[in-house]
Amino acid sequence: NAGVTQTPKFRVLKTGQSMTLLCAQDMNHEYMYWYRQDPGMGLRLIHYSVGEGTTAKGEVPDGYNVSRLKKQNFLLGLESAAPSQTSVYFCASSRSGQGMNEQFFGPGTRLTVL
Amino acid sequence: AQKITQTQPGMFVQEKEAVTLDCTYDTSDPSYGLFWYKQPSSGEMIFLIYQGSYDQQNATEGRYSLNFQKARKSANLVISASQLGDSAMYFCAMREGWSGGSYIPTFGRGTSLIVHP
Repeated sequence: NAGVTQTPKFRVLKTGQSMTLLCAQDMNHEYMYWYRQDPGMGLRLIHYSVGEGTTAKGEVPDGYNVSRLKKQNFLLGLESAAPSQTSVYFCASSRSGQGMNEQFFGPGTRLTVL
Repeated sequence: AQKITQTQPGMFVQEKEAVTLDCTYDTSDPSYGLFWYKQPSSGEMIFLIYQGSYDQQNATEGRYSLNFQKARKSANLVISASQLGDSAMYFCAMREGWSGGSYIPTFGRGTSLIVHP
């Protein structure tokens, strides 16, 4: 099992460019999440999905869009990147939201917007 | 108001000693879960331990234990016999029950632990 994988691992964008981050999990998990991690801020939730075809906004959704067309994949899009979106992005999945269903995290994507 | 508060930005401990990392939470939901994760310098997030609000006993996993004080709304992580490999960021997270709006966990800002030889 690969667990949770993220593509790419690193990316540098210019302001205004767009990109898509891909998250894939092979654990048949229902829930998937996108977080951003900035120094001193912990993990902040961008968007999440509780099942195939569903998405919902998290704490910091502005400037991002997501799609979950297949259960195993969760895509995070930046339509017009801004320097404020420079961050480390983590994808996570969990079997469900209830009980002791811990999140499994991907290795992260380090994004720099110039 | 923050739902999860970790008041110690940095902690230092001598190898082989025990250390407590603080976490307080805020919820009015009777059903919730508390998680601790470890993030080494390599960046990956590793699940350590879980405590449910209805669990009668404090959770333990090897050298990790959770000091759960429900009335005080605290869920401190205790690491016994610290090892150099315990040096990392540690995050506390809470998942509220459905009445809280969703099952989505909220994370604290983390505590950096450095273990000295």
